[in-house]
This record gives sequence, C-alpha cells and structure tokens, in this order.
Amino acid sequence: DVKVTQSSRYLVKRTGEKVFLECVQDMDHENMFWYRQDPGLGLRLIYFSYDVKMKEKGDIPEGYSVSREKKERFSLILESASTNQTSMYLCASSVSLDTGELFFGEGSRLTVL
Amino acid sequence: EDKVVQSPLSLVVHEGDTVTLNCSYEVTNFRSLLWYKQEKKAPTFLFMLTSSGIEKKSGRLSSILDKKELFSILNITATQTGDSAIYLCAVNAGGGADGLTFGKGTHLIIQP
Repeated sequence: DVKVTQSSRYLVKRTGEKVFLECVQDMDHENMFWYRQDPGLGLRLIYFSYDVKMKEKGDIPEGYSVSREKKERFSLILESASTNQTSMYLCASSVSLDTGELFFGEGSRLTVL
Repeated sequence: EDKVVQSPLSLVVHEGDTVTLNCSYEVTNFRSLLWYKQEKKAPTFLFMLTSSGIEKKSGRLSSILDKKELFSILNITATQTGDSAIYLCAVNAGGGADGLTFGKGTHLIIQP
C-alpha cells in the first residue's frame, strides 16, 4: 500500500520559533509537495520538489523553505513561525506530474500562539 | 488565472438520499480533472476524468466530465454516514505541479 507519513499530527509552537514538518514516502516517487489547507481557501501549494535537492516555489512560498536531501523525505521549514501560519499542512507525493494524481499524508495541524 | 469552483460549499442530507456535487473550471491547457475525498485525515483519490461524457463509477459514487461546458459532477447514491467528508475537485492544467488547481471543497454531512 502506498504510504505518505507525516511525523507530527499536531504541533503547538510559539511565535518566532523554528518549525520542522517532516514527510516521508515509501513509493519511490520523484515528486513531493507541501500544501496548506485553510477553511474557505482550500488547498494552496507552498513548495514542490521533482527530484532530490530540487525545489520549486508554489503559490504561497513566503515564510517557508523546504529541504529534499533524500528521495523519500521532504521537509517543510518555518524559519520564524507566525500566527498566520496556523493551518493544516498536507504533504503529498506523485509518480508523475502529468496525471495530477497525488497521494497525501494525514496532515500536520500546526497552531502558532 | 486558473479557477476551480465547487458548489455547494456545504450540504447536509439524510442517509439514503442521493447527492450531486458540482465542480466548474476555467483553466488553460486542461489535462484532467480529479476528485478526492477527505475525511478527518488524508485526502484519498476517487476519480480522474480526461474525456467528456464517459462516466467513471465506483460503487455508489460516479462522476462525469463535460469539457464543452467546463464542469464535472460527482454523484453519490444511497448515501451513508460514512460518506460524510470534504470532497475536493482539482484540475490539472499544464502538467506541472503548479498546474494543479484545487477548488475549496464541498463539506458533505450525512445525517442518520
């Protein structure tokens, strides 16, 4: 079975803290993505990666960075968390960018106080 | 700018009812339209549609695409409480990861 695992389901952090969200997939997929999901706004793409050490900005990259040192792992970093980054973060992977079919992790709900 | 609009945004029905969820889109270079179901956790893939008029079916769920009128519908017959979820529509336009545009979702609640 296809599996995308996000290490933290729930996190509470303080403003200004550095936050790491980890995502691991076991499907040998080339492509990995980070989205955030907010009520009334839907899913918005933060960053994606189509290969190890490669990254591309999505629609809302400001305040975020990413790291892809190994094929199976894609990390989202909030250098200095702010309250407007309180959200549900979803990691996804896909075998092909052409189809658009994504396999999602269970999400990490981040609250920044 | 690519746009995907889902309606209704929320819907409450009784068990056994049939529901129709709508997804309209305005994109350049359409490639496919996808439906996902999201319960309290990860969205899971339901259907991918690329051709007009061909119904995709899985149990009580079915979906069809109209590329002329630029919309898709997702039908659920004989609804059950386990169908309660957010249903997401996404359109792949352009093939790249940034070519996947999501709608805001329809929050469906099935009451016993």
